[in-house]
Amino acid sequence: ELKVEQNPLFLSMQEEKNYTIYCNYSTTSDRLYWYRQDPGKSLESLFVLLSNGAVKQEGRLMASLDTKARLSTLHITAAVHDLSATYFCAVKGAYGGATNKLIFGTGTLLAVQP
Amino acid sequence: GAGVSQSPSNKVTEKGKDVELRCDPISGHTALYWYRQSLGQGLEFLIYFQGNSAPDKSGLPSDRFSAERTGGSVSTLTIQRTQQEDSAVYLCASSSRRGGGLANPGGYNEQFFGPGTRLTVL
Repeated sequence: ELKVEQNPLFLSMQEEKNYTIYCNYSTTSDRLYWYRQDPGKSLESLFVLLSNGAVKQEGRLMASLDTKARLSTLHITAAVHDLSATYFCAVKGAYGGATNKLIFGTGTLLAVQP
Repeated sequence: GAGVSQSPSNKVTEKGKDVELRCDPISGHTALYWYRQSLGQGLEFLIYFQGNSAPDKSGLPSDRFSAERTGGSVSTLTIQRTQQEDSAVYLCASSSRRGGGLANPGGYNEQFFGPGTRLTVL
């Protein structure tokens, strides 16, 4: 059964400092997604990572994927207040019925303090 | 173009009543998903529709839950005899291509989420 672990659950960040969120998954996957959720809002797609070694960057966010370690990281560079939100990683299984759905991590609540 | 839409945005119901939640996917998207987001359980998969194939119902928590997708477009999630533990935000997503997986490489299918329906069962 595919399981996804995300940590930390909560991250209090200082502006202009760097931080990393980790996402581990338990079985083979062929893609990994990062989403952002603002309070009371739906999920906004940030990155789709399709292969080992994939790295994608958008603004102050950079996501990478190591399929051998079954690990993805979301790196935040020089945090700013508008990055405050909950971030989810989600993994899609590689075989059978697991390809039909996303398994989500627990989410990481980011709060950027001035 | 328009994104995924859901209605109602909020629904308050009494325990034991039936509710219907609606999802309108992005035009042309063949795959449609329902997820549930609750405080205790996080984000959980409920059901998946792909074209005319039989839906994957493996995530439905009980037989009180059912879903239909008419004409390959709009979907309705029905919860019968609602219980307080059904209170959650129900999210719908759609994507443009099927599955993927190592047996079907290139089946890239990013899921786009609707705004959700917040269900409160009193």
